[in-house]
Amino acid sequence: TQLLEQSPQFLSIQEGENLTVYCNSSSVFSSLQWYRQEPGEGPVLLVTVVTGGEVKKLKRLTFQFGDARKDSSLHITAAQPGDTGLYLCAGASFSGSARQLTFGSGTQLTVLP
Amino acid sequence: KAGVTQTPRYLIKTRGQQVTLSCSPISGHRSVSWYQQTPGQGLQFLFEYFSETQRNKGNFPGRFSGRQFSNSRSEMNVSTLELGDSALYLCASSIPTGGFDEQFFGPGTRLTVL
Repeated sequence: TQLLEQSPQFLSIQEGENLTVYCNSSSVFSSLQWYRQEPGEGPVLLVTVVTGGEVKKLKRLTFQFGDARKDSSLHITAAQPGDTGLYLCAGASFSGSARQLTFGSGTQLTVLP
Repeated sequence: KAGVTQTPRYLIKTRGQQVTLSCSPISGHRSVSWYQQTPGQGLQFLFEYFSETQRNKGNFPGRFSGRQFSNSRSEMNVSTLELGDSALYLCASSIPTGGFDEQFFGPGTRLTVL
């Protein structure tokens, strides 16, 4: 069974601070995705990282995929209240034609004004 | 383009009953996946359907089943409901391209079992 551990589970910070969320596994994934989920809605894809060592930037968000494709991090610079939400990492694995996403437990981020 | 729609949005059932949830994917999307989200277990994969065939299944008991219709709409059914089945049930659709395609999630159906 593939497992993804996210840390921290909860994070409450002041507007303007920086933060990093970690996603770790003992398994290798074909790709890793980061989602953000707001109350009453389904998760929305933020980014997909595919290559070991890959770094992607999306405005104030920086995503990194570990060299061994087992771990990833999400760094937010100068957090804003609009960044509040549940952040989920998900590892993609393939078995023949079957495709499965394994989700981490999530990081609930609250950015206080 | 309309997003993924799920009906109903909220449902209250009692133990032992059965329930059917519906998911309409984005037009043109042929793959539908279902997930269960609970505070304790997080988001867990239930099953994926593609072209009316179940392509993959997660580690859930046989009380959880699903199907997909020729128009790609999907339903999932839970029989003999237990208190632990209370959760947010999410469906997600994708084209798919065979690679690392994006899944688009619906808003979910909140099921409460009393």
